[in-house]
Amino acid sequence: DQQVKQNSPSLSVQEGRISILNCDYTNSMFDYFLWYKKYPAEGPTFLISISSIKDKNEDGRFTVFLNKSAKHLSLHIVPSQPGDSAVYFCAASSISSGSARQLTFGSGTQLTVLP
Amino acid sequence: DAGVIQSPRHEVTEMGQEVTLRCKPISGHNSLFWYRQTMMRGLELLIYFNNNVPIDDSGMPEDRFSAKMPNASFSTLKIQPSEPRDSAVYFCASWRFGVGYGYTFGSGTRLTVV
Repeated sequence: DQQVKQNSPSLSVQEGRISILNCDYTNSMFDYFLWYKKYPAEGPTFLISISSIKDKNEDGRFTVFLNKSAKHLSLHIVPSQPGDSAVYFCAASSISSGSARQLTFGSGTQLTVLP
Repeated sequence: DAGVIQSPRHEVTEMGQEVTLRCKPISGHNSLFWYRQTMMRGLELLIYFNNNVPIDDSGMPEDRFSAKMPNASFSTLKIQPSEPRDSAVYFCASWRFGVGYGYTFGSGTRLTVV
């Protein structure tokens, strides 16, 4: 059973417009959420994160919103640029055995920003 | 720092052969994770180590898969015998306790079993 779900496998947006990527989770034990960006032939790289005690975190063009009651988070990119075209993974973090933090990833959303 | 280093970048092998993927984590990181990326399942955790000790291997799909971490600077993921359905991109990631919440990933190994 997938604990982190990204229901949209792909999204196309015009350059300059807003991109909104969505993510849903089921496990109430998750206390931190992250977004990773992945270009072809590269590993995922950390983009932005949010603690479960907050509902919004902003970093430049990127903003993550968290709705705990709905178990939903979203990533907003404004304005979108062609260089933002990549696969975006939503991830949720929880304390695991041995004090390590375990990340559970969604299946990813391919964002394409059209010039 | 050179980041997380994985080798090889690409591996093509015949069904039934043994495959070994390698990973060098970032120095000072004490947790190491092996992930597999497929179109169907996205990024799925296979196994992770904490201070070189395997903590959770529940994601390892079958007994054909095994992983070791003999020291803090090296880990291997072995598939024996390999099957075509093992074809995927395998990522290694490392993390240092108490420093942020995100992992640092390597560039991955693209495995093709024919």
